Amino acid sequence: DTGVSQDPRHKITKRGQNVTFRCDPISEHNRLYWYRQTLGQGPEFLTYFQNEAQLEKSRLLSDRFSAERPKGSFSTLEIQRTEQGDSAMYLCASSHFGSFQETQYFGPGTRLLVL
Amino acid sequence: GNSVTQMEGPVTLSEEAFLTINCTYTATGYPSLFWYVQYPGEGLQLLLKATKADDKGSNKGFEATYRKETTSFHLEKGSVQVSDSAVYFCALSDLPGGSYIPTFGRGTSLIVHP
Repeated sequence: DTGVSQDPRHKITKRGQNVTFRCDPISEHNRLYWYRQTLGQGPEFLTYFQNEAQLEKSRLLSDRFSAERPKGSFSTLEIQRTEQGDSAMYLCASSHFGSFQETQYFGPGTRLLVL
Repeated sequence: GNSVTQMEGPVTLSEEAFLTINCTYTATGYPSLFWYVQYPGEGLQLLLKATKADDKGSNKGFEATYRKETTSFHLEKGSVQVSDSAVYFCALSDLPGGSYIPTFGRGTSLIVHP
């Protein structure tokens, strides 16, 4: 397995546009997480899925953000009407829930710049 | 609530110097503790972990011991290399069998000079 992958790696957009990011987890992992990381900060939790069910969302996840994991495999994160404050690195991670020592494995991230 | 406090960086060292990056935590339960490393332009990579008190996690010459009495999980390496230059994040997760949403520290930048 090649690990968690994310696409695109970089995205530049104008304020007000919509963007969509994709995450492909490690194949046998049933949990998938989205985080946002701004400069000089640690990752902040946004939301997570177990299989196709979205189990928790952070208050950071405004109505402009939506995430899906339709078949319990890859996931998409969409940001509508982007704002300059959305500029950040968006990280995806996956894990296998059910193992005693659950550990998250992170993808390389998608860096978003909103102009 | 849970929180993680890391020493502020950047930490600047010469090659082969000894490294310590301090991490203390506050948790309501019995968390698992982690160190992640982030190289420039990349996502986080798990460096090491410990799941119970007195456990020592180790990897690539780095090690950290879970100290419940001092609520600490300091990262150490005996001899750093230029390639260790990165940002290091301490993290904890509570309820390992339940809702696993880790709490990260702000990260500590390490710069190693030749």
